[in-house]
Parts: sequence; C-alpha cells; structure tokens
Amino acid sequence: DAGVIQSPRHEVTEMGQEVTLRCKPISGHNSLFWYRQTMMRGLELLIYFNNNVPIDDSGMPEDRFSAKMPNASFSTLKIQPSEPRDSAVYFCASSERGGRETQYFGPGTRLLVL
Amino acid sequence: GDSVTQMEGPVTLSEEAFLTINCTYTATGYPSLFWYVQYPGEGLQLLLKATKADDKGSNKGFEATYRKETTSFHLEKGSVQVSDSAVYFCALNGGSQGNLIFGKGTKLSVKP
Repeated sequence: DAGVIQSPRHEVTEMGQEVTLRCKPISGHNSLFWYRQTMMRGLELLIYFNNNVPIDDSGMPEDRFSAKMPNASFSTLKIQPSEPRDSAVYFCASSERGGRETQYFGPGTRLLVL
Repeated sequence: GDSVTQMEGPVTLSEEAFLTINCTYTATGYPSLFWYVQYPGEGLQLLLKATKADDKGSNKGFEATYRKETTSFHLEKGSVQVSDSAVYFCALNGGSQGNLIFGKGTKLSVKP
C-alpha cells in the first residue's frame, strides 16, 4: 500500500495568500485526521473526519481554517488568508475505524508563510 | 480530561546504552496506549502499542508495559543505536471523541 499521501511536501507563500493542503488516506480507512506540529505547541489535532463527516473540529484555530472531505479518498485543508503564525508542519493521518485505532501518518506538508 | 505526560528531552545517549523514556497518563476508562516515533523529516509512525493492563508492546527491540496501578507506559530499549535517534511520542486513545492524545514528545540523540 502507498500509505497516506500528502501534497505539496513544501509550501512557501506570502501572508494573505490562500493555501490548500491535500491528503489521500490509505484505501479502506474510514477516518481521517489533520494535525499541526510546531516547536512551541507540539502536535495538535485540528479536525477529525469519520466516513467523510467532520466529527470534531474543535482544534481548528479560527475561521481562516477550513477542511473538507468530499469523498473517501481525498481531503483538503485550506487556510485563507494565511498568516506567518500558520507556519508549521501539517500532517494528515488515517485509521481503519475511528480515533481509537492506530493512526497512520503521511509525510507532512511543511508550510512557511512569509 | 485525559492527558499524557512524558519526560522532557532532549535525551543524549551513547551507542549501546540503556534507554528509558517515562510516560504517565490520566484517563477515564481503559484506554489503549501507544508509542509513536518520528524520524527527522518524516511523519509519525507507530512503534508499539498495548490495549489492556499488563500487556507488553514490543517492536525493534523497544518495549513498554501497560501499568494500570502506576498509570505508566515507559519506553525501554536495552541497547540503543545511532539509527534510533528520533522524537518519541507517548499517546492514549481518549478524550471526548476518543481521539489519540499525544504527549509533547521526547527527542533522543544517540552518539556513536
């Protein structure tokens, strides 16, 4: 299996621009997670989908962040407008059945907002 | 709420030294416990897990035992290698939505 696929791997953008991060979960997995990792705050869960439905988005920092999962094989995390404090590594992970199961992480997208 | 506390890093060891990374947890119910490892520039990957009290998870020479009486899940390895240099995260499945709750991570550096 190819594992969780994320794109792009690196993104450099200017403040105010829209950023879209993409994720393809492992085939057959029903749950998908978006995390953000920074030195200061560590690993934070942003949003969690189960069967393409958002279950918990309490970690989404503010209205500038939005996430969608239009089908079982694709999800996006969008930041509009982006700010320098959004600079971080964003990880997507998937699991077979819900948050209690083992999660498989993608390689991450390293975002730098100038 | 549920939480995980792991020892602060960084931890620096010489090759073949014994490793312990402490992890304690607070949880309602009976969570499963996990250790994930993150190598430089990569995502997290599962190292081992234990699903009930007294279970021992093991992988690649690493071990951890689920101790309900001390609410601990300490990671150990008898002889570390340079290739074990990474950040290690302890986690449990809990919280209001049953998600994984991660500790802050412990960076391990192994010197030859």
